[in-house]
Amino acid sequence: DGGITQSPKYLFRKEGQNVTLSCEQNLNHDAMYWYRQDPGQGLRLIYYSQIVNDFQKGDIAEGYSVSREKKESFPLTVTSAQKNPTAFYLCASSIDGAVLAGKINEQFFGPGTRLTVL
Amino acid sequence: GQNIDQPTEMTATEGAIVQINCTYQTSGFNGLFWYQQHAGEAPTFLSYNVLDGLEEKGRFSSFLSRSKGYSYLLLKELQMKDSASYLCAGGKTTDSWGKLQFGAGTQVVVTP
Repeated sequence: DGGITQSPKYLFRKEGQNVTLSCEQNLNHDAMYWYRQDPGQGLRLIYYSQIVNDFQKGDIAEGYSVSREKKESFPLTVTSAQKNPTAFYLCASSIDGAVLAGKINEQFFGPGTRLTVL
Repeated sequence: GQNIDQPTEMTATEGAIVQINCTYQTSGFNGLFWYQQHAGEAPTFLSYNVLDGLEEKGRFSSFLSRSKGYSYLLLKELQMKDSASYLCAGGKTTDSWGKLQFGAGTQVVVTP
């Protein structure tokens, strides 16, 4: 079964600690994305990666870091510099991020990780 | 900015039809996506309109007017399982790469 997995589903951390959220996909997709979802707000893009060993900041990258050492994996680290880290984090992937014939590829989402910082 | 606006909540009766509107600024977007998201779960893809007009997929239809910056998702023959948040997302293109910008979502409540 192809898909995107995120672990864990629920995560609790103390304030001031860094925490890494896992995202793995076996869809052979080149592009991967991290979003944050807060109540009453749309999904906001944190980081995205178009290809292995490359990634770009999204709209709210401050306090977060990522790596893309393997095509299948795109872990997100929430650092102590993130002022309000409690949120629902969603990872997504698409075949690639290229715009071909004016079309953008759909993104497939993982089940999400709910992070609570105490 | 390039805000995407959609209503916060809509309520409809089982078996009825509901239309969820989405408006956006016309510059900078390349098509509109609709996703369905049940509480605490991943968004799932419903439709993508890149050209003007109506696209139908079973009980769900999506419409786009690029000149008006307007899209809607039409849900027919509502079922209880359709109670969910529906996310409108604009496709933004930057340097030939595409990203999505999401609205806040419309919570649809289906009542018996």
